[in-house]
Amino acid sequence: QSALTQPPSASGSPGQSVAISCTGTSSDVGGYNYVSWYQQHPGKAPKLMISEVSKRPSGVPDRFSGSKSGNTASLTVSGLQAEDEADYYCSSHAGDNNFVVFGGGTKLTVL
Amino acid sequence: VQLVESGGGLVKPGESLRLSCAASGFTFSTYSMNWVRQAPGKGLEWVSSISSSSDYIYYAHSLKGRVTVSRDNARSSLYLQMNSLRAEDTAVYYCARAVPATAKAGFDYWGQGTLVTVSS
Repeated sequence: QSALTQPPSASGSPGQSVAISCTGTSSDVGGYNYVSWYQQHPGKAPKLMISEVSKRPSGVPDRFSGSKSGNTASLTVSGLQAEDEADYYCSSHAGDNNFVVFGGGTKLTVL
Repeated sequence: VQLVESGGGLVKPGESLRLSCAASGFTFSTYSMNWVRQAPGKGLEWVSSISSSSDYIYYAHSLKGRVTVSRDNARSSLYLQMNSLRAEDTAVYYCARAVPATAKAGFDYWGQGTLVTVSS
């Protein structure tokens, strides 16, 4: 069982927006502004899409955005495109005792 | 930036394995580094983090006592020594660089991974 809770699946049609949630506790998501989101296509290494809740690394389309409220973080993908179909994982810093925790992942399907 | 893992393979339960990660394209000695694993068909699991000068080292509770992370900044290399391997350690092991701002902020570059299979 993963430390952070994500819905196993999400879907949307091309052009639509979809939000993926990531729920933790005050010891991880709620306690630090260190939530990251990763995209992983089948057979590939993960790719950083969002760091520190809402920062987009260079090269990541601005269709991807992140936010946080209390113990729940969210990744929103706007203007869905076929290439956005992938698994998405959230992670959070969780203090020095359990440095990083991941969510179980969400499979995003573009209909 | 390039991260290339090696050292994976098929081992029997109880055996040991040492994974390596060769880094290039950036000043290795100034970045915290990490190991993350992914069991077949499963999600990502953080394994260990080591600061740039090895002053701070962290391990996942599930692996503590059986793994040791180290680095050689002169060789731009990261290592993971794994002992007393179990079937549940079967996974692809990724080497990942920490975001420059802070090791807590995420992992911005990942290797392609090396597969460790533990089976009798």
